[in-house]
Amino acid sequence: GQNIDQPTEMTATEGAIVQINCTYQTSGFNGLFWYQQHAGEAPTFLSYNVLDGLEEKGRFSSFLSRSKGYSYLLLKELQMKDSASYLCAVMDSNYQLIWGAGTKLIIKP
Amino acid sequence: DAMVIQNPRYQVTQFGKPVTLSCSQTLNHNVMYWYQQKSSQAPKLLFHYYDKDFNNEADTPDNFQSRRPNTSFCFLDIRSPGLGDAAMYLCATSRERGQGGETQYFGPGTRLLVL
Repeated sequence: GQNIDQPTEMTATEGAIVQINCTYQTSGFNGLFWYQQHAGEAPTFLSYNVLDGLEEKGRFSSFLSRSKGYSYLLLKELQMKDSASYLCAVMDSNYQLIWGAGTKLIIKP
Repeated sequence: DAMVIQNPRYQVTQFGKPVTLSCSQTLNHNVMYWYQQKSSQAPKLLFHYYDKDFNNEADTPDNFQSRRPNTSFCFLDIRSPGLGDAAMYLCATSRERGQGGETQYFGPGTRLLVL
């Protein structure tokens, strides 16, 4: 079966750095997405990785290793507004998104 | 601004009373998706349209139907809502199903409450 694993919840301090990991096992691979979802709102697109390596976009970076079936989302200079769930999703060989259940990130002052 | 719009944002219906949720997009994307998301769970794909081609997920109940009368609009019909259908319903679009256009953009969602 297809599976996406990410931690259920993480806590970090304002101004610090946090890394949210995602491992996956899917039927084929056509890219990995990270979305941010605030409580009661829709997911917002953060990043897309299809090749190995690090993609940096402001305070957020996303890393992919296809051979290891592994990705992480790195958030720097954490702000209170970064408190949200972070969803990892992989596009399989049928171009269907397989979603993780999300990591709830709690930022403390 | 180009966007995905969902109406209403909140919908209350009675057990067994049909309800329709709507989605529109100004992105001119070919693909439109409907997801169901329950609290602290991953979004669950119900179906998607590639242009006019309808694709139903194997485990989507018959109680859920969809219509896409034109490129811009897509509707989700729940014929006989049950208590278990209370959830956030998310509409998303993507330019393509592949070829670099796979990123899905979401509307704000409709939260459905079944009494």
